[in-house]
Amino acid sequence: DIQLTQSPSSLSASVGDRVTITCRASQDIRYYLAWYQQKPGSAPKVLIYDAYTLQSGVPSRFSGSGSGTDFTLTISSLQPEDVATYFCQYYHSGPCSFGPGTKLEV
Amino acid sequence: QVKLVESGGGVVQPGRSLRLSCTGSGFDFIYYGMHWVRQSPGKGLEWVAAISRDGSERYYADSVKGRFNISRDTPEKTVYLQMNSLRADDTAMYYCAKESRGLRPPGQLDFFYYWGQGTLVNVSS
Repeated sequence: DIQLTQSPSSLSASVGDRVTITCRASQDIRYYLAWYQQKPGSAPKVLIYDAYTLQSGVPSRFSGSGSGTDFTLTISSLQPEDVATYFCQYYHSGPCSFGPGTKLEV
Repeated sequence: QVKLVESGGGVVQPGRSLRLSCTGSGFDFIYYGMHWVRQSPGKGLEWVAAISRDGSERYYADSVKGRFNISRDTPEKTVYLQMNSLRADDTAMYYCAKESRGLRPPGQLDFFYYWGQGTLVNVSS
């Protein structure tokens, strides 16, 4: 089974900062990784899929990169509405898995 | 528009059973794999189970394997999660999620764009 780790577990940044969150898989998952944003009381929202494809409607300040075992979610210029918890997910074959999350504060 | 509506949550004693339902609308149910994901209060997301579009493939997290069973009724556009031998650590909000891309080849799953609003399961004596 694929295990995902994320770092950092939490971070505080300022509006306008460039923010990077990393996700590491326990084995090669090629590009089968998605990133989700979750705000309190709401279901998660997909930001990136297939490691680097931006979901339609998601602001272009979000970007994803990586392949194999190491992946990155980048917010190029942090906005106040980006306060949320971010999760990575492996999804290509069962069982799927989520990373433990990164809580982002502004 | 696509809608997923979960039901069946509630308070249940340890060791007992509960069946969750998720009914979809606004999309061709037969073309999509369906998943259950849970989230304990204040915790992260935990993928629970998945079923392929034709129901022939089912996958489970190790934490629920042997206790939970996922199934689907395509004419009713409903996916179920039968939860047996419930434990306190099964307490969570349970979300139903629809795979984003339909007609996946056998053995291939997908990420989720659409989620339900969740149904809360509380395992407590």
